[in-house]
Amino acid sequence: EAGVAQSPRYKIIEKRQSVAFWCNPISGHATLYWYQQILGQGPKLLIQFQNNGVVDDSQLPKDRFSAERLKGVDSTLKIQPAKLEDSAVYLCASSSGRNTEAFFGQGTRLTVV
Amino acid sequence: AQKITQTQPGMFVQEKEAVTLDCTYDTSDQSYGLFWYKQPSSGEMIFLIYQGSYDEQNATEGRYSLNFQKARKSANLVISASQLGDSAMYFCAMRSYGNNRLAFGKGNQVVVIP
Repeated sequence: EAGVAQSPRYKIIEKRQSVAFWCNPISGHATLYWYQQILGQGPKLLIQFQNNGVVDDSQLPKDRFSAERLKGVDSTLKIQPAKLEDSAVYLCASSSGRNTEAFFGQGTRLTVV
Repeated sequence: AQKITQTQPGMFVQEKEAVTLDCTYDTSDQSYGLFWYKQPSSGEMIFLIYQGSYDEQNATEGRYSLNFQKARKSANLVISASQLGDSAMYFCAMRSYGNNRLAFGKGNQVVVIP
């Protein structure tokens, strides 16, 4: 079974530029999560999708971050414009049910200079 | 809202010894699941163990066991017979069954020494 795919693995951009991350969850997984993990901290939930609908985006900085999940499968997370404090690893995870584990992608390491 | 607390400082553990990682949580939900993940320096998130809030038995998975005390809202992870490869960050997470929200604690750093 293929795992959660994320791209790119690494990205370096200047502040005020825009960037987009892509995630392809495990086939059939209805729930998709995007997390921001700053070095040395735990993952912070940015947005959660159930199929193609948003369940929770309470911690998403909506003035600069946006996300969508096309047809309930792939998802993209965008930052525009980026700030220095956005430097982090962005993790995508998917899950098939509430009592099963979430599977994580390798993450995208973003550096904003 | 969910809150997961992991407050232990970084821990050094002798190889082959057991280590307990503390996790307490706060939720108003009656139905929820508790998870532990391992994140080595390579960055991948590795699922270790799961405990449902209605499970009467403590979960075990190989060298990992979860000491679940529902009344105290704690879900401590016990790693028995530590190995050098256990050196990593360990995260406690909770999923509310109502909205499927999966929230993480800040993590515990474990270093296993020979």
